[in-house]
Amino acid sequence: SFELTQTLSVSVAPGQTARISCGGDNLGSKTVHWYQQKTGQAPVLVIYRDNNRPSGIPERFSGSTSGNMATLTISRAQVDDEADYFCQVWDSTTVSYVFGTGTKVSVL
Amino acid sequence: QVQLQQWGTGLLKPSETLSLTCAVYGGSFSGFYWAWVRQPPGKAPEWIGEINDDGRSRYSPSLRSRVTISVDTSKNQISLRMNSLTAADTAMYYCARAITVYGIIIRWFDSWGQGTLVTVSS
Repeated sequence: SFELTQTLSVSVAPGQTARISCGGDNLGSKTVHWYQQKTGQAPVLVIYRDNNRPSGIPERFSGSTSGNMATLTISRAQVDDEADYFCQVWDSTTVSYVFGTGTKVSVL
Repeated sequence: QVQLQQWGTGLLKPSETLSLTCAVYGGSFSGFYWAWVRQPPGKAPEWIGEINDDGRSRYSPSLRSRVTISVDTSKNQISLRMNSLTAADTAMYYCARAITVYGIIIRWFDSWGQGTLVTVSS
């Protein structure tokens, strides 16, 4: 089955830049989406189709892809950005949505 | 702004059947797939399956044998049934709206329900 691997945790000081990576075999041929999940809450879409922000998501959130890696970048990180972040793709081979393992972002 | 509200039984015993319902408010029900996603404590979300207003459904290969998703277009609701529960099915269960572009190739979730915690314990 297709798997997406993420760094377990990332720490960043307020105002600095956090980068969250997501890797998988042949990921460059797929389109990646990103979700933010704060403690006790449902996931929220923050990036879709690699680098698009839904309405209401701050410009500080951006996405990029290179080769078999996708990256979510949080610029000028704020304490409110502390959350778990998950990448997600659609895998046509298994006809399934696949989520990454998740990255816990701490802003301190 | 679409809203998804879900409900169902939260505490079940092994071998019992899970039953959850999700109602969609404030947006179009037709033209979308509506999905169920679960998330065990401390783990990543896992897609269970989805259905559209025509009743076309697809399921995760790992759960297909135990899951049924149904739709009631008169109420803008979808439902999930999962049988033969074990402790491994303990998780937060979410309904979500799936967005599809270019047919089946690009898909993601843009709206989520509030979640229902399902605990399987004897």
